[in-house]
Amino acid sequence: VVMTQSPLSLSVPLGQPASISCRSARSLVDTNGDISLTWFHQRPGQSPRRLFYKFSNRDSGVPDRFSARGSDSDFTLKISRVEAEDVGVYYCMQGAHWPFTFGQGTKLEV
Amino acid sequence: QVHLVQSASEVERPGASVKIFCETSGYSFTGHTLNWVRQAPGQGLEWMGLINTNTGNPTYGPAFSGRTVFSVDTSVATAYLQILNLRVDDSAVYYCATASFDHWGDGTVVTVSS
Repeated sequence: VVMTQSPLSLSVPLGQPASISCRSARSLVDTNGDISLTWFHQRPGQSPRRLFYKFSNRDSGVPDRFSARGSDSDFTLKISRVEAEDVGVYYCMQGAHWPFTFGQGTKLEV
Repeated sequence: QVHLVQSASEVERPGASVKIFCETSGYSFTGHTLNWVRQAPGQGLEWMGLINTNTGNPTYGPAFSGRTVFSVDTSVATAYLQILNLRVDDSAVYYCATASFDHWGDGTVVTVSS
């Protein structure tokens, strides 16, 4: 399943909002009836960190300026007010169909 | 607290093999699958596949079927990734991650160069 992110790069002033789109070629409703879309953030030189699972469930420790929404095959990650620590690459990943696939990544510069 | 500790970096010649480990702690190793993810230099993330840590049964992504071998040693809660007949384009960071991708290892850098 091809995952298409846009934009591929984003430069946002501190304190301004940012939005990343992730689109799937197929519905991401899995066999359990859940929407299996995960968002990750990878800072330079670090391992990826999960931000959201099942498309909108925020992980512990993720600031509430991050939000995620979507439906079926169209998803969005939003940052209400970008901070310096938000730099890096954001990936979406689908886990509804094997093989799991990642989007190309969106590089955020602040 | 969940920890995934991976091998140090490796440098190998083309045609050689490499086996890296992912030592886990802080959760039930055999109760969950474990994923492997590759990241080539300057590139994005690729899911390589996963292993059922209870049965040892691997599932490989289509791009990684053939020269990739997943295995586990449940006695030490450790998973292994072996790559056979290495090629230069196997040079990458290899990550292990828990079943739901909520915990990741630090990655192992594999460099293949003659």
